[in-house]
Amino acid sequence: GNSVTQMEGPVTLSEEAFLTINCTYTATGYPSLFWYVQYPGEGLQLLLKATKADDKGSNKGFEATYRKETTSFHLEKGSVQVSDSAVYFCALSEPGGSEKLVFGKGMKLTVNP
Amino acid sequence: DVKVTQSSRYLVKRTGEKVFLECVQDMDHENMFWYRQDPGLGLRLIYFSYDVKMKEKGDIPEGYSVSREKKERFSLILESASTNQTSMYLCASSLYGVNTEAFFGQGTRLTVV
Repeated sequence: GNSVTQMEGPVTLSEEAFLTINCTYTATGYPSLFWYVQYPGEGLQLLLKATKADDKGSNKGFEATYRKETTSFHLEKGSVQVSDSAVYFCALSEPGGSEKLVFGKGMKLTVNP
Repeated sequence: DVKVTQSSRYLVKRTGEKVFLECVQDMDHENMFWYRQDPGLGLRLIYFSYDVKMKEKGDIPEGYSVSREKKERFSLILESASTNQTSMYLCASSLYGVNTEAFFGQGTRLTVV
């Protein structure tokens, strides 16, 4: 079946540090790929997405590129802020209309001033 | 703005009780989902529905049932609550189609004692 494997952390960084969160997937067909973020006490919200190979999703300084050859969708940010402290989930959607999402286990990021 | 509303933020129930978790979305989405979120396990799909009165089992349906009598409302039912169902429950909705974003509610923290 389809699955997502991501770095689990927790990770603690200082403000302005570089962030990479690795995500790889296993899927049949051509899934769409997503990064969701969960801020403390809130539900998940979409951070960025990519729908086909070599697409780059970007939002709020975060970027991720859909790499079909390595089945990866790593999340990066050049300079993190305290407000980026959250749990980050990589996910794929299974093609077929219902768009069922399959999630990685999530990674908790804490950014210290 | 799309809004997914879960009826309770926190619930405490006793073992053996029948528990109803309610979710309402206001954007006419076809798809609705129930996930549970546990530390170290990420989000796991319990049930989803792609139309009124339609439902499909997710990865962990045992001990749960669902009801979708109206398009905007998707209920999760714990027939006889057990302590291992203590968890965070997240409802989500999305449009039917390719590459659509899922919108999440804020979650219900259920404790079964």
